[in-house]
Amino acid sequence: AQTVTQSQPEMSVQEAETVTLSCTYDTSENNYYLFWYKQPPSRQMILVIRQEAYKQQNATENRFSVNFQKAAKSFSLKISDSQLGDTAMYFCAFIEAGGTSYGKLTFGQGTILTVHP
Amino acid sequence: NAGVMQNPRHLVRRRGQEARLRCSPMKGHSHVYWYRQLPEEGLKFMVYLQKENIIDESGMPKERFSAEFPKEGPSILRIQQVVRGDSAAYFCASSQDRRTEAFFGQGTRLTVV
Repeated sequence: AQTVTQSQPEMSVQEAETVTLSCTYDTSENNYYLFWYKQPPSRQMILVIRQEAYKQQNATENRFSVNFQKAAKSFSLKISDSQLGDTAMYFCAFIEAGGTSYGKLTFGQGTILTVHP
Repeated sequence: NAGVMQNPRHLVRRRGQEARLRCSPMKGHSHVYWYRQLPEEGLKFMVYLQKENIIDESGMPKERFSAEFPKEGPSILRIQQVVRGDSAAYFCASSQDRRTEAFFGQGTRLTVV
């Protein structure tokens, strides 16, 4: 079974600075997808960024980028130029490419990120 | 195009009562997933349904919990004889098919008193 581990329960950062959230995972599969989701106080789950395991290039979405280290099974999220609206719980998630469905995600425990003015 | 709609947003039940949580998928989506989020934890997969079929219920508790997704109408997650440990946020997600991204609703927070 796959597991996803986020070892940082809480992080904080000053507005406009950069912060990195860590995620490691365990799987015997070679082809899979990794995601970072944001959950603000409204509880809405918002997809931030996605990475396909077969792609060596790290995914980037505006101020959000990932550092995907397949051999180390590590998938960290870097948020540049942090904004107050980035304050939220962040979840790392995993899906096997050959699994039941892309909707059957395995989530980490989450990291609460607070951006201070 | 409206997103995934869940209702109610908040539900309070006394121990022993039944809880019914509803999920209307996005337009054009026929695949629905239910997740549970206990306090201070990540989301845990419960069940995956397609219209009128349960595809994967590997995350569903064996007793008191059931789910359906009828041909017409929303998907329903039903919890019978609720206990305090059922208090959690329940999320629904939907996708167009099994190989496309799932989108989440805002969740239903169930409180058992």
